[in-house]
Amino acid sequence: GESVGLHLPTLSVQEGDNSIINCAYSNSASDYFIWYKQESGKGPQFIIDIRSNMDKRQGQRVTVLLNKTVKHLSLQIAATQPGDSAVYFCAETLNQAGTALIFGKGTTLSVSS
Amino acid sequence: EAEVAQSPRYKITEKSQAVAFWCDPISGHATLYWYRQILGQGPELLVQFQDESVVDDSQLPKDRFSAERLKGVDSTLKIQPAELGDSAMYLCASSLGGRVEAFFGQGTRLTVV
Repeated sequence: GESVGLHLPTLSVQEGDNSIINCAYSNSASDYFIWYKQESGKGPQFIIDIRSNMDKRQGQRVTVLLNKTVKHLSLQIAATQPGDSAVYFCAETLNQAGTALIFGKGTTLSVSS
Repeated sequence: EAEVAQSPRYKITEKSQAVAFWCDPISGHATLYWYRQILGQGPELLVQFQDESVVDDSQLPKDRFSAERLKGVDSTLKIQPAELGDSAMYLCASSLGGRVEAFFGQGTRLTVV
């Protein structure tokens, strides 16, 4: 069968490495997904989004992959920097106006120099 | 850059007291959300407004929590009486009508003693 990345509550990487953060979402009807970054004591900050008609979307140093078959989402951060240290959450929703986001379990990313 | 404003940033209150939080969404955002985030977990929706109307308050503990958005702009979330288990970060978010991408404020960190 296909290998699916496990959700890890914490991830430690060295500066310059690539990071992969995994998320399993719950609702097979969800068709819009967002990754948020949350630094200590602050609110979640939008990183990148993807709609269910896509399986990959790239931003600046970040890539999101979506596997609808196994309800799995991943966030890849290239050349991870100390400033990337934060808690990362995936969120799912229906792509309809007024529909609230449902957040998954967070992953704490620690980047050491 | 437009942002969601919340106050206060921190609040310490004794149990059984009343406490209120204020949120001013991004100008023009019709949808406003209040989320609660317990330490180490993802945000969970408490209440959602579309303009001045409540769209979803199914997860709001209505025996002690109330929320209003009288003129469809800023909003107040109240807890009375506060309980020890209410200690959490209270996050406000807003989104443009027709969009699901939500932008978050810095939150109010509530400690009930």
